[in-house]
Amino acid sequence: AQKVTQAQTEISVVEKEDVTLDCVYETRDTTYYLFWYKQPPSGELVFLIRRNSFDEQNEISGRYSWNFQKSTSSFNFTITASQVVDSAVYFCALSEVTPGTYKYIFGTGTRLKVLA
Amino acid sequence: DTGVSQDPRHKITKRGQNVTFRCDPISEHNRLYWYRQTLGQGPEFLTYFQNEAQLEKSRLLSDRFSAERPKGSFSTLEIQRTEQGDSAMYLCASSLGGQEPMNTEAFFGQGTRLTVV
Repeated sequence: AQKVTQAQTEISVVEKEDVTLDCVYETRDTTYYLFWYKQPPSGELVFLIRRNSFDEQNEISGRYSWNFQKSTSSFNFTITASQVVDSAVYFCALSEVTPGTYKYIFGTGTRLKVLA
Repeated sequence: DTGVSQDPRHKITKRGQNVTFRCDPISEHNRLYWYRQTLGQGPEFLTYFQNEAQLEKSRLLSDRFSAERPKGSFSTLEIQRTEQGDSAMYLCASSLGGQEPMNTEAFFGQGTRLTVV
């Protein structure tokens, strides 16, 4: 069965600190996709990144970086030099690609508070 | 294209009434999803369309819920005989399905917040 676990319910950091959000997933498929979304106070889910199961290269985009490790079924997200605008709920999601089943399974989210 | 749009943004209804929500996906997207999100939780999958075909429904979707996507464009989600437990944010998302097996990212609308009183 598919499952995404975000064990950190809430994290508070002071501005300019680095912070890592953890994501652990479960799947029986060998081909799958992982995603991170941001949900700011306005409520709309904003797509951040997609990775497929065959690409374990870490990715960096500005202050954001992602570490994908199949051996530990983890897809962690790091924000470097956090800013107040990073305050939001962050969701990790998994999508298998069994034909006809393309739903996204979300974790419960991690609320990040960046204090000025 | 301005993204996924949902209407209405807010709906307050009395218990027992029927409500209908509309979702307009990104125009070239062939996949459309409905999710429900309650406070402090992640979005929960309700149902999924590929073009006009409803390919999967969650067990969360009771008989009081029905969704349609006529002509593979906009979609509607109807809840009949609403209950207080139906109060939630209903999210619509769309994605571009490619050649199997692959999946692309889903883009979400701003949601419809339903309050059943």
